Amino acid sequence: AQSVAQPEDQVNVAEGNPLTVKCTYSVSGNPYLFWYVQYPNRGLQFLLKYITGDNLVKGSYGFEAEFNKSQTSFHLKKPSALVSDSALYFCAVRASYNFNKFYFGSGTKLNVKP
Amino acid sequence: DGGITQSPKYLFRKEGQNVTLSCEQNLNHDAMYWYRQDPGQGLRLIYYSQIVNDFQKGDIAEGYSVSREKKESFPLTVTSAQKNPTAFYLCASSSRSQTGQDQPQHFGDGTRLSIL
Repeated sequence: AQSVAQPEDQVNVAEGNPLTVKCTYSVSGNPYLFWYVQYPNRGLQFLLKYITGDNLVKGSYGFEAEFNKSQTSFHLKKPSALVSDSALYFCAVRASYNFNKFYFGSGTKLNVKP
Repeated sequence: DGGITQSPKYLFRKEGQNVTLSCEQNLNHDAMYWYRQDPGQGLRLIYYSQIVNDFQKGDIAEGYSVSREKKESFPLTVTSAQKNPTAFYLCASSSRSQTGQDQPQHFGDGTRLSIL
């Protein structure tokens, strides 16, 4: 079965500190992993993806994610958080048996305090 | 600019009424999707379409219907059979690459449906 887990409903971090939003996945075959961000009453915006290659993937707005095959994780990171990073973050995996199906985590609310 | 347009932004449904949510894209994407978002549950797939005149049920299709008569358009009808329709509805699209699996989805800004 394909699935994604985001174990934290909420993450709180002070501005300027590093942030991590956790994601673990379960797939058969090669994982195609994505991170999206959602601001209130808006759609999801694509941040970055892992398909193959380097385990550290860089994306938009200074975000990066580290793919760890042995731990089946794809954690989102940023070296220095901004108040404007406060939003809802979703991890997603694309089904290997049907490329039209994506499985989303339940989302993690990131709160960055000044 | 290319993108996905959903309308209306807010919609109210009376008991026993069908309502239709609009989704239009000018990204020339083949695949389109409808998701339902409820607090704390992430996104759940309602229907998706890979090409014109073809669509498949997702995980929660009961009480919903779709059509795909044009590449650009993928309207969703919430029927009276959907007993708990209050949610945020998101439309998305994606293209095929040569490998077919490395393209992210692009999302509209959603329609919030409520019951009167």
